[in-house]
Amino acid sequence: SYEVTQPPSVSVSPGQTASITCSGHQLGNKYTCWYQQKPGQSPVLVIYLDTKRPSGIPERFSGSNSGNTATLTISGTQAIDEADYYCQAWDSNTVIFGGGTKLTVL
Amino acid sequence: VQLVESGGGLVQPGGSLRLSCSASGFTFSRYTMHWVRQAPGKGLEYVSAISTNGGSTYYADSMKGRFTISRDNSKNTLSLQMSSLRADDTAVYYCVKDGQLELPQYYFDYWGQGTLVTVSS
Repeated sequence: SYEVTQPPSVSVSPGQTASITCSGHQLGNKYTCWYQQKPGQSPVLVIYLDTKRPSGIPERFSGSNSGNTATLTISGTQAIDEADYYCQAWDSNTVIFGGGTKLTVL
Repeated sequence: VQLVESGGGLVQPGGSLRLSCSASGFTFSRYTMHWVRQAPGKGLEYVSAISTNGGSTYYADSMKGRFTISRDNSKNTLSLQMSSLRADDTAVYYCVKDGQLELPQYYFDYWGQGTLVTVSS
């Protein structure tokens, strides 16, 4: 079965750029999206169809997907961005979530 | 958009439970709907999907034959009937809306608050 892999944790200083990766075989051939989840809350979509940002999501969130890796980039990271981030891919009606990455802003 | 789940609770192994999701704020009948779950302290896991008219359904492998998804477009309600429940089915179950009108694109733009299902004796 298809799998995607994320690093368990990423740390970033306030104001710096955070990059969270999601890896899978030929992932660039599938659509990916990203969710942010804060403790005790439901996930929130931050990137869909590889690069699109839903309304209300700050411009500092961006996405890319090529080859075997999709990347969520947060520019000018703020303390409020500290959360768990999940990538998700889909292909042939199969939906796969990555294991999640805990982003720490310190 | 509002998605409100109900029906969670404590159930014994081997038991059954029916989850419901009441949808509002959008044209329910024009969107594929999904269930996603999250075990305590764990990541997200895809459960099931149902097409706009209910004619097509999808289940993750570990749920096939045990879970049944359905919808009532006249009542804007999504349901998940779960049977033969196991301890590893313990999770928060989220009702989720597909982000694309009519044909699903399998990204989820609205999530309910979730309902906790605990399978334990």
